[in-house]
Amino acid sequence: GQQLNQSPQSMFIQEGEDVSMNCTSSSIFNTWLWYKQDPGEGPVLLIALYKAGELTSNGRLTAQFGITRKDSFLNISASIPSDVGIYFCAGGYKNAGNNRKLIWGLGTSLAVNP
Amino acid sequence: DTAVSQTPKYLVTQMGNDKSIKCEQNLGHDTMYWYKQDSKKFLKIMFSYNNKELIINETVPNRFSPKSPDKAHLNLHINSLELGDSAVYFCASSQAGGWIEKLFFGSGTQLSVL
Repeated sequence: GQQLNQSPQSMFIQEGEDVSMNCTSSSIFNTWLWYKQDPGEGPVLLIALYKAGELTSNGRLTAQFGITRKDSFLNISASIPSDVGIYFCAGGYKNAGNNRKLIWGLGTSLAVNP
Repeated sequence: DTAVSQTPKYLVTQMGNDKSIKCEQNLGHDTMYWYKQDSKKFLKIMFSYNNKELIINETVPNRFSPKSPDKAHLNLHINSLELGDSAVYFCASSQAGGWIEKLFFGSGTQLSVL
């Protein structure tokens, strides 16, 4: 089945540093999404990408939909302590029954040292 | 008002018991989901309902039975609980059509089976 390889699995950085994480797959996706999960909460959508090559920002966050449609990256600039959490990528596609489905990455756990 | 609310937040129970988790969304969305997050934080979809109709039923034991009395509610009933059912269960909702991958999650129900 389809799988997403998300890396790195975890990161420990100093406040103010930039962060980069990515998701790759052997399959093509129609959409890429990035979610963040705070401890004890459900994931929250950060950025949604719908077109190959698309580059989208949300404050200090920037994400890109890879030109091959098989990958995406998320960058966080000038990290702050509240960036702590687990970041998930998710790829959207249509299955044989024309139903839209999501495949999730395994998450990148981010810790920020103030 | 919480957009997607699920209760209870914590559920501790004995093996063999039957339990239910309730979910309600006030976003007017057409589609609701149940996800299971294991101890490694992997998010796995269990069920999806669109306007009270089941549209996704992944490989889930039939001890798990979702019920959607109306499109704003999706409850999860679990019979004969097993140790392996211990996880965090998330309810989510999304609008149909092009926004379907934009999920709004509840804050989760931590289920511990002893």
